[in-house]
Amino acid sequence: DVKVTQSSRYLVKRTGEKVFLECVQDMDHENMFWYRQDPGLGLRLIYFSYDVKMKEKGDIPEGYSVSREKKERFSLILESASTNQTSMYLCASSLGGLARYNEQFFGPGTRLTVL
Amino acid sequence: GENVEQHPSTLSVQEGDSAVIKCTYSDSASNYFPWYKQELGKGPQLIIDIRSNVGEKKDQRIAVTLNKTAKHFSLHITETQPEDSAVYFCAAPGGTGNQFYFGTGTSLTVIP
Repeated sequence: DVKVTQSSRYLVKRTGEKVFLECVQDMDHENMFWYRQDPGLGLRLIYFSYDVKMKEKGDIPEGYSVSREKKERFSLILESASTNQTSMYLCASSLGGLARYNEQFFGPGTRLTVL
Repeated sequence: GENVEQHPSTLSVQEGDSAVIKCTYSDSASNYFPWYKQELGKGPQLIIDIRSNVGEKKDQRIAVTLNKTAKHFSLHITETQPEDSAVYFCAAPGGTGNQFYFGTGTSLTVIP
């Protein structure tokens, strides 16, 4: 079974802090994604990566950055946390290559609260 | 980019009844439509998908129908059970790199 793990289930940070959310997948997937989930807004893509050291902006990248130094690990960074970044953050991974629209496998999520 | 709308946002049904969730999309070039189920405390998980070369796909109690002309697709759950209670998301492809645009989700409650 594919397993996507996220470093924390719950996280509480203060405004202005730098926050790191870590995601690791164990199935050698090329693609990795970071979403935020808010009530009534569904899943919105923040950033994704289709290879090591590669990254692409999603729909809501403002206030976030990412890092992918190794294939299995994709980190989301909040440079200076703000209260409007309080949300559920979901990481996902999928196979890349020529086949399009591969299934995305999600981690359990990190509930981040910024005070 | 793709725009996916999902209705209803909440749905309550009696155990044994059917549930239907509908989604519309905007990009006529879209050709793959997955449905994800998110149980409490877990990440979403793919439950069924459909490609544009078919109009319907079934897997036991769940089915998905696609109307390409009208640009909408629906999830049908028959003989609902309490374990079907979850949030369901539809999605459509967009951009590059296996991206999806997700709907806003439907919270389904099956009342025993």
